[in-house]
Amino acid sequence: AQTVTQSQPEMSVQEAETVTLSCTYDTSESDYYLFWYKQPPSRQMILVIRQEAYKQQNATENRFSVNFQKAAKSFSLKISDSQLGDAAMYFCVRLSNFGNEKLTFGTGTRLTIIP
Amino acid sequence: DTEVTQTPKHLVMGMTNKKSLKCEQHMGHRAMYWYKQKAKKPPELMFVYSYEKLSINESVPSRFSPECPNSSLLNLHLHALQPEDSALYLCASSPRAAGIGQNYGYTFGSGTRLTVV
Repeated sequence: AQTVTQSQPEMSVQEAETVTLSCTYDTSESDYYLFWYKQPPSRQMILVIRQEAYKQQNATENRFSVNFQKAAKSFSLKISDSQLGDAAMYFCVRLSNFGNEKLTFGTGTRLTIIP
Repeated sequence: DTEVTQTPKHLVMGMTNKKSLKCEQHMGHRAMYWYKQKAKKPPELMFVYSYEKLSINESVPSRFSPECPNSSLLNLHLHALQPEDSALYLCASSPRAAGIGQNYGYTFGSGTRLTVV
């Protein structure tokens, strides 16, 4: 099975500090997509950042950036200047580029922001 | 419009009832999905529609019946559900199936919280 592993069920960070969420995955493919989604208590799954596996450059979106290590199959999310609104469950997600449209979710990391 | 709209937001139904969940998007996305999410768990895929045709059914019990009347609308018909079917049901859409371009991603709705009593 091609799994996605998030080894940190819960994390906490002081407001304005930086936190890194870990993700590793298993795949035999060379081309695929990776995403981080957040799910706050409002329940909606919100796309935080995406990375295409064929791109070597790490994706960034404002305060969010990833460290994509393709050989190590690692895809960590760094949140800088953490804000109260960042509190949510974060899911690392992989999508095969070969068209079966099935997202593989990690088990999630619940992030708490300490004021 | 960059949203996926799901109705109702909450639903309580008895085991003998028939109800439907509705999902709508106007982003021109050609793939739509139903996911089931239990508390503190990741979503689990149920169905995928690609160009209004059912392309994936993840061995979902027949008491769940999906329908895609057009490219903007996705329904999930519920009949004779069990208490263990209580969960958050998420709808999602993506630009296209079987082919991925730039800025590819899934847009999720905020879900229907279903309770079966």
